[in-house]
Amino acid sequence: AQTVTQSQPEMSVQEAETVTLSCTYDTSESNYYLFWYKQPPSRQMILVIRQEAYKQQNATENRFSVNFQKAAKSFSLKISDSQLGDTAMYFCAFMNRDDKIIFGKGTRLHILP
Amino acid sequence: NAGVTQTPKFQVLKTGQSMTLQCAQDMNHNSMYWYRQDPGMGLRLIYYSASEGTTDKGEVPNGYNVSRLNKREFSLRLESAAPSQTSVYFCASSAFTTYTNYEQYFGPGTRLTVT
Repeated sequence: AQTVTQSQPEMSVQEAETVTLSCTYDTSESNYYLFWYKQPPSRQMILVIRQEAYKQQNATENRFSVNFQKAAKSFSLKISDSQLGDTAMYFCAFMNRDDKIIFGKGTRLHILP
Repeated sequence: NAGVTQTPKFQVLKTGQSMTLQCAQDMNHNSMYWYRQDPGMGLRLIYYSASEGTTDKGEVPNGYNVSRLNKREFSLRLESAAPSQTSVYFCASSAFTTYTNYEQYFGPGTRLTVT
C-alpha cells in the first residue's frame, strides 16, 4: 500500500526566509502524481504545486518549488521569500492512475513577522 | 462555475442520529471523494467514486455509506452517528483532462460534531 510521510509536524521561520518541508512516500508504481496542498485557517484546501513522476524537471510555481527525487521517493517543498500569508498546514499527497489520493499527516508552518 | 459545493457547513448530531452530507460539482469530473480530517491525522479517504455508478472503500469506511447519484452528486450518509465520527468532512472531485493534465478541487468542508 502507498504511504506518505511528513516528518516535520510543525515549523517556524521568519518572514522573507526560505523554508523546506519534507515528504517521503512509498510505492511500487512507476507512474504517479505528487501534490502539495495548503490549508489556511479558513480550512479550504488549496493546491500549491503538482509533479508528474515521469517528468524529471522539478515543478515551480512562483515562490514555491519542489525537489523531486524519484529514486529516493522524496518530494520536498521549498518556499522562498516566505510571507505571513504562507502560514498554514501543508499536506503532501500521492496519487497513481487509479485516482486514489493518499495524504500525509501535514506540517503546520508558522511564518513569524 | 461554483466548483465543489458541500452542505451543510456545520452540523451537530446526537449519538445514534442519522444524516446525509451532500456534495455536488459542476466541472464534469468523473472522480469524487469523501475525506475526513481529524487533528494530527491529515485527510483520510472514506469512500471514492471513479465514475457514475461506482463506489469503492477508502481507508476508513466503517460507519459510512455513499451514493453516487449521478455524475454531479456524491453523498455521504451516517446511519447511526457516533462521537468518534466528530470530524471535518471534505468532498473533492478530479479528472484527467488529458493524459498528463490532472485537475482536482476540494469543497469548503463540513464540521460535524456528535455528542
